[in-house]
Amino acid sequence: NAGVTQTPKFQVLKTGQSMTLQCAQDMNHNSMYWYRQDPGMGLRLIYYSASEGTTDKGEVPNGYNVSRLNKREFSLRLESAAPSQTSVYFCASRIDRGRSNEQFFGPGTRLTVL
Amino acid sequence: TQLLEQSPQFLSIQEGENLTVYCNSSSVFSSLQWYRQEPGEGPVLLVTVVTGGEVKKLKRLTFQFGDARKDSSLHITAAQPGDTGLYLCAGATSGTYKYIFGTGTRLKVLA
Repeated sequence: NAGVTQTPKFQVLKTGQSMTLQCAQDMNHNSMYWYRQDPGMGLRLIYYSASEGTTDKGEVPNGYNVSRLNKREFSLRLESAAPSQTSVYFCASRIDRGRSNEQFFGPGTRLTVL
Repeated sequence: TQLLEQSPQFLSIQEGENLTVYCNSSSVFSSLQWYRQEPGEGPVLLVTVVTGGEVKKLKRLTFQFGDARKDSSLHITAAQPGDTGLYLCAGATSGTYKYIFGTGTRLKVLA
């Protein structure tokens, strides 16, 4: 099992450009998440999806859109990138049974917006 | 807005010392998790606590959930260089699986 995979690993954009961050999981989890991590601020939830076909806003959704393409894939789109969106982006999926509620994270996408 | 504050933000200690990291909030959480993150990687779950007053031990790590389920602590006994990393707490409120993450504690253990 690959777990949670993210592409690309690194990206540099100019202000106003658009891009889509891809995420896929092979653990058959229903729930998937997108976070951003900035220095000194931990992880902040952008969007999450409790199941295929549903999405919900997190703490910092402005400037982003998401798409839960199927059970495996959850993509994050920046329509018009801004320097404030420079960050490390993590995708995660959550185990749906038991008490642990463990989230499994991908390796991250490091995005710089100039 | 829910907040999870961690303290200290940074900690540099010698191998063999003990340390405690705190995670505090004014909100009540149905569950609280601790993760460790190494540079260039995503966080990895260490433990989940769900009952007020619960104590869990994972080798040299001891986790406690406050009685009121608003705070938690992580205690490391005899720290080793391999414990170096960013420690994050994350809480979820009842009826939701949206997690609020703390600001993180960056630990460095010197050999």
